[in-house]
Amino acid sequence: AQSVTQPDIHITVSEGASLELRCNYSYGATPYLFWYVQSPGQGLQLLLKYFSGDTLVQGIKGFEAEFKRSQSSFNLRKPSVHWSDAAEYFCAVDRSGGGADGLTFGKGTHLIIQP
Amino acid sequence: NAGVTQTPKFQVLKTGQSMTLQCAQDMNHNSMYWYRQDPGMGLRLIYYSASEGTTDKGEVPNGYNVSRLNKREFSLRLESAAPSQTSVYFCASSEQRGASTDTQYFGPGTRLTVL
Repeated sequence: AQSVTQPDIHITVSEGASLELRCNYSYGATPYLFWYVQSPGQGLQLLLKYFSGDTLVQGIKGFEAEFKRSQSSFNLRKPSVHWSDAAEYFCAVDRSGGGADGLTFGKGTHLIIQP
Repeated sequence: NAGVTQTPKFQVLKTGQSMTLQCAQDMNHNSMYWYRQDPGMGLRLIYYSASEGTTDKGEVPNGYNVSRLNKREFSLRLESAAPSQTSVYFCASSEQRGASTDTQYFGPGTRLTVL
């Protein structure tokens, strides 16, 4: 079965500093991978997704992620964080490869931004 | 275009009571999903409906039933609520099963407390 691991429960970053959130997956085939963000009291918003092709994926709000098959990783990065980036971040893998059978989520990483 | 809407936003139940969580989407999506979110657990899939007229169990279906009322609406029912069902429930929808660009869009969530 698929699984997603986000090793960091909490990460604290200074405003303006760079960010990398880690995500490792376990999946038998080429996965469909996603990063979602959840602001306090809100639903989830898609940041970016990877299905195939270029392994460096650009998303919204200045985020990018790189798929590394050899490391089974899909880490999320941002060169300079803003206070508004404080939120919960979830990595997810598609269960079926087609998006219709639901997603398996990691447990999330809580991002704290220091002034 | 409201996207995915959920009602109610908050609910408190006593053990043994029943209730139905409502979800509707106006994006003409074929697939719909119910997830629950618990602290430190990420989101877990309860049930999904790949298309109108079909429903399937996800990772944690016990204690729940679903109805795909029509293409727009997908309800989640708790027949006899238990404290273990205290959670935040998210509904999501996606366009088309098997589409390589399929993305799930989430509603704002229902916060349920069972006493």
